[in-house]
Amino acid sequence: ETGVTQSPTHLIKTRGQQVTLRCSSQSGHNTVSWYQQALGQGPQFIFQYYREEENGRGNFPPRFSGLQFPNYSSELNVNALELDDSALYLCASSLAGTSQETQYFGPGTRLLVL
Amino acid sequence: SQQGEEDPQALSIQEGENATMNCSYKTSINNLQWYRQNSGRGLVHLILIRSNEREKHSGRLRVTLDTSKKSSSLLITASRAADTASYFCATDKGFQKLVFGTGTRLLVSP
Repeated sequence: ETGVTQSPTHLIKTRGQQVTLRCSSQSGHNTVSWYQQALGQGPQFIFQYYREEENGRGNFPPRFSGLQFPNYSSELNVNALELDDSALYLCASSLAGTSQETQYFGPGTRLLVL
Repeated sequence: SQQGEEDPQALSIQEGENATMNCSYKTSINNLQWYRQNSGRGLVHLILIRSNEREKHSGRLRVTLDTSKKSSSLLITASRAADTASYFCATDKGFQKLVFGTGTRLLVSP
């Protein structure tokens, strides 16, 4: 167990809807990153939050947005869902600014868009 | 987009045999990490090797890194059925924004 939790575990939405996914970081970590993993592919970096500010974004449109809270938990919001958004969404927490580069992943939220 | 590719895409071996997976990447890196994923669930960190290191060991795992060839290999010795999983390499330029490979699916049969 990494100490990183995600909710919900599974979610079914329809095209055009909005979804919010949640992540609770490992205690003491100040950075959270979100990844999208399509079936049969490796995870792709969506964005990273450090001390409540976005700290880098991958090749994802603005309808993917996020928040990081003072307790370092985080949300991923996706608006106007598309069929291709169906994937496993993973969050990872880490401690930036140290030599500890390891990221600890949660179990993921599996999103199905119909 | 993926940083690189892993080879082979799938590997099937018997318990007790060694498993070797290779990873190639495209740009300069700060470190390279290997992760395991069971049945489409969360990723488990296995080992990290920095760009100035050439080889690293952790239990039954041995990782090598050749920055001149932009490649890495993961060796699992004396494989067990519990090692059955997908294995991913991921590169980091130093900002903790990982770029993953395409993964190798390992099946270890009893």
